[in-house]
Amino acid sequence: GAGVSQSPSNKVTEKGKDVELRCDPISGHTALYWYRQRLGQGLEFLIYFQGNSAPDKSGLPSDRFSAERTGGSVSTLTIQRTQQEDSAVYLCASSSNGVVEETQYFGPGTRLLVL
Amino acid sequence: KQEVTQIPAALSVPEGENLVLNCSFTDSAIYNLQWFRQDPGKGLTSLLLIQSSQREQTSGRLNASLDKSSGRSTLYIAASQPGDSATYLCDLRVNQFYFGTGTSLTVIP
Repeated sequence: GAGVSQSPSNKVTEKGKDVELRCDPISGHTALYWYRQRLGQGLEFLIYFQGNSAPDKSGLPSDRFSAERTGGSVSTLTIQRTQQEDSAVYLCASSSNGVVEETQYFGPGTRLLVL
Repeated sequence: KQEVTQIPAALSVPEGENLVLNCSFTDSAIYNLQWFRQDPGKGLTSLLLIQSSQREQTSGRLNASLDKSSGRSTLYIAASQPGDSATYLCDLRVNQFYFGTGTSLTVIP
């Protein structure tokens, strides 16, 4: 595919369960970003990868959140012991090299609902 | 911390009108500013990217301006169409990305 893809598109889970969200960036893009968008709010930066390393993890809201990227491609965002406040749309974006002049390309998002 | 504000939060206009969306920010030391549109159930689509050294960018019916000294950017949409209905987000790149909360635009046929 030509764009960023995310899976699942929707996820409903019970409070306390763990969830894993997946992002497939555009092929060849070295930079990958995760954001969270709560209902009626703006995008909240979570984490940024350059290759497989994450130089900026400052946006992760708690130690229940973690992310990894393997092979410089696919990334997974894991939320452990989910809480109702984690309900949001989780958006992934990628860019070619991660330099500041580049535009980001966004995936369609994963809608997470924690009951 | 960078604060990004978009006014108005919602806007409804009849088809054919020209309109302006506003984005204000508190820290002028930005690398670039990007305007996106967000459609329900879809991701964000980049519209225009303005580098820090630029003052405006144009693409079709869209024109975005950047005034760092006053902490403002505007997105001008000419001859609006129903297909322009979406939420418009501005995004500032400093050492992180800072998004506004968006303006929800409805263009009435």
